[in-house]
Amino acid sequence: EIVLTQSPGTLSLSPGERATLSCRASQTVSSSYLAWYQQKPGQAPSLLIYGASTRATGIPDRFSGSGSGTDFTLTVSRLEPEDFAVYYCQQYGSSPGTFGQGTKVEIK
Amino acid sequence: EVQLVQSGAEVKKPGESLKISCKGSGYTFTTYWIGWVRQMPGKGLEWMGIIYPGDSDTRYSPSFQGQVTISADKSISTAYLQWSSLKASDTAMYYCARPSAAGKVPSAFDYWGQGTLVTVSS
Repeated sequence: EIVLTQSPGTLSLSPGERATLSCRASQTVSSSYLAWYQQKPGQAPSLLIYGASTRATGIPDRFSGSGSGTDFTLTVSRLEPEDFAVYYCQQYGSSPGTFGQGTKVEIK
Repeated sequence: EVQLVQSGAEVKKPGESLKISCKGSGYTFTTYWIGWVRQMPGKGLEWMGIIYPGDSDTRYSPSFQGQVTISADKSISTAYLQWSSLKASDTAMYYCARPSAAGKVPSAFDYWGQGTLVTVSS
């Protein structure tokens, strides 16, 4: 089973600032089958990025994903008020399709 | 429009059985995996397992193998998650989710149900 470790656990930033979230895998994620999700309180998660770097439909271009192998990054170039949420990475290239433990992006 | 509609919240006692459902609509149910994801109170997402309704191919996370059963009834486009004997530690929100790509290919979860809250308490 691939273990995903996200860092930091919490990111305290102000609107307009840049957010950089990390996801490290315990072994290579095949074919960059790495996704990022956003979850707001009381809501189901929603897909932001798949294939490590492809934005899902309707996702604004301030969200970008990068990385390969075992190291992946989600960047939010300029935080909007609606971006304060919890973010999860997930690998879906091998079963079980594990999630990271999440990074909370909170308002400073 | 693709929709996944889950059954309503449940309150059960330890030792009781339970089956929750996830009905898919707006797409060909048999050609997409359906996965189940657990979220315990205040915690993160956990991948439980996944089923391909077309042939009932089912994969479980080792953490959930033997603890739950995932099934599907393609005649009514519905997937299920069931327990034979609930524990207090099963208290959680359970989501079903469907990947964006059809067929047995790796794909991220693009569509999610609204969640079913299961509370197990004596």
